[in-house]
This record gives sequence, structure tokens and C-alpha cells, in this order.
Amino acid sequence: AQTVTQSQPEMSVQEAETVTLSCTYDTSESDYYLFWYKQPPSRQMILVIRQEAYKQQNATENRFSVNFQKAAKSFSLKISDSQLGDAAMYFCAYRPYTGANSKLTFGKGITLSVRP
Amino acid sequence: EPEVTQTPSHQVTQMGQEVILRCVPISNHLYFYWYRQILGQKVEFLVSFYNNEISEKSEIFDDQFSVERPDGSNFTLKIRSTKLEDSAMYFCASSEASGGQETQYFGPGTRLLVL
Repeated sequence: AQTVTQSQPEMSVQEAETVTLSCTYDTSESDYYLFWYKQPPSRQMILVIRQEAYKQQNATENRFSVNFQKAAKSFSLKISDSQLGDAAMYFCAYRPYTGANSKLTFGKGITLSVRP
Repeated sequence: EPEVTQTPSHQVTQMGQEVILRCVPISNHLYFYWYRQILGQKVEFLVSFYNNEISEKSEIFDDQFSVERPDGSNFTLKIRSTKLEDSAMYFCASSEASGGQETQYFGPGTRLLVL
């Protein structure tokens, strides 16, 4: 079974600084997708960034980028130039590449606070 | 931008009572999901639903749970006889297609408290 681990429950970053959120996972599959979701307080989870395991290039979306280390099964999220609006719970998630099994397997999440 | 909505935002119920959690998925989406998060724990998959039937369900989704799409817009999760351990945040999600690449869009959740 696949598992996703986010070992840091909380992190804090100064506005305009860079922060990295860690995530590791375990799977026997060779092809899969990894996701970071953001959940602001009292709001729904929204997709921040997605990485296909077969792609060597790390995904980037504006100020958000990932460091995907397939051999180490590590998938960290880097937020550059942190803004107050980045304060939220961040979830790392895994999904197999193919098949009808489209469920997401989530980590426990990490609460990110941004200091002005 | 279209959003998944859920009602109610909070629900308090007595143990043994039935609850129905409601979700309105994004209108052109075909795949629907329920997840839950017990306080301090991981978000867990409960069930996926497509073409008016369950595609997959987890071990958590036992006979106390059921899902339904009663009309063209709502997607409901029913818990027949709630237990204390059902207290959690319940998230509905929908996606346009199935498979690894499509994005699941989540609702804001319903916080269920069973007393």
C-alpha cells in the first residue's frame, strides 16, 4: 500500500523569504502522480502543483516549485517570496498513474504560518 | 470559477442518529469522491462514484455509509447510525475525468461532531 508522510506538523516563514515543506512517500509503483494541495483556513483544498513521476524535470508554478527525488521517494515543495496569503495547511498527496483507482493518498498536512 | 460546495458546514448529532452530508459537485464533472479527516490525522479516502455507482470504497466505508446522487446536481453521503469515531471533517471532491492526471476539486468540508 502507498503511504505519504509529512513529518513536520508546523512551519513558519518570514514574509518574502523562502520555505521548503517536506514530504516522503512509499510505493512499489514506478509511475504515479504527486500533488501538493493548499487549504487556507475555512476554505477548500486547492491544487498547488503536480508532478508526474516519469518526468525528470521538477514542476514549477510561479513561486511554487518542487524538488522531486524519485530514488529517495521525496517530494518537497519550495515556496519562494512567501506572501501572507500563503498561510495555510499544505497536504502532499499521491495517486497511481493508471487504472480506475483514482483515489488520492494524503499525508497529515503541515500548517504554514507567514510572519509579516 | 466553479466550485464544489458542501452543506452544512457544521453538524452536531447524537450517537446513533442518521446524518446526510450534501455536496454539489462542479456541473460538468463526472467523478465524485468523499474523503474524511479525523482531527489530527490524515485525510482518508472513503469512496469514489461514477455513473451512478460506487467505483471504489475503502475499508472505512462499511455498511453504515452510503452515497447517492439523487438528482442531477447533488451528491450525498449518509451515515445511518453515527458513532463517536465518525466525528471528522468530511470533504467532497469531483473531477472531470478519471485517471492520474486529472485534478480533483474539493469542497470546503463539513465538520461532523457526534456526541
